[in-house]
Amino acid sequence: GQNIDQPTEMTATEGAIVQINCTYQTSGFNGLFWYQQHAGEAPTFLSYNVLDGLEEKGRFSSFLSRSKGYSYLLLKELQMKDSASYLCAVPDSNYQLIWGAGTKLIIKP
Amino acid sequence: TAGITQAPTSQILAAGRSMTLRCTQDMRHNAMYWYRQDLGLGLRLIHYSNTAGTTGKGEVPDGYSVSRANTDDFPLTLASAVPSQTSVYFCASSEGGGAADTQYFGPGTRLTVL
Repeated sequence: GQNIDQPTEMTATEGAIVQINCTYQTSGFNGLFWYQQHAGEAPTFLSYNVLDGLEEKGRFSSFLSRSKGYSYLLLKELQMKDSASYLCAVPDSNYQLIWGAGTKLIIKP
Repeated sequence: TAGITQAPTSQILAAGRSMTLRCTQDMRHNAMYWYRQDLGLGLRLIHYSNTAGTTGKGEVPDGYSVSRANTDDFPLTLASAVPSQTSVYFCASSEGGGAADTQYFGPGTRLTVL
């Protein structure tokens, strides 16, 4: 079956770097998504990885290792507005997304 | 453009009553989805539609029904609400129903069933 694991909560300091990990188990692999969700708001798309390696997009980067069933989201130069939940998701065999429970990131001054 | 709109924003509903959550998108996306989000759990797919006129069941379809009469609208109906359906409901859409298609979410409906 499908399974996605993420840490429940992380705390980091403004200006620092934080890495949010996601491990997954799927019967097939069709890529991995990261979304950001601020409290009380809708999820918004951050990244999609289908090939191994690191993809950088401004202060945010996403890494994928298909052989290890592992991804991480790297956030640099943290800002208070980065306080949010970060959701990892993978498509199942019907291309429907299976979502992790999300990692709540708390940024402290 | 408005993107995806949902109505109502929030609702308190008596158990046993029926209710329809509305979702409309103006992006001409083919695929639409309904999720529920509960504390400590990931988003769970209720129903989806890959194109107008077709629907499919997701992970947690029981107690819910959907229709897709046209491209823009994808209403979710609770025929007889129960307290376990208390949740935040998100509608989403994507250009296609493929694995790599990014999903765009509406603002959500917070439903409380008493």
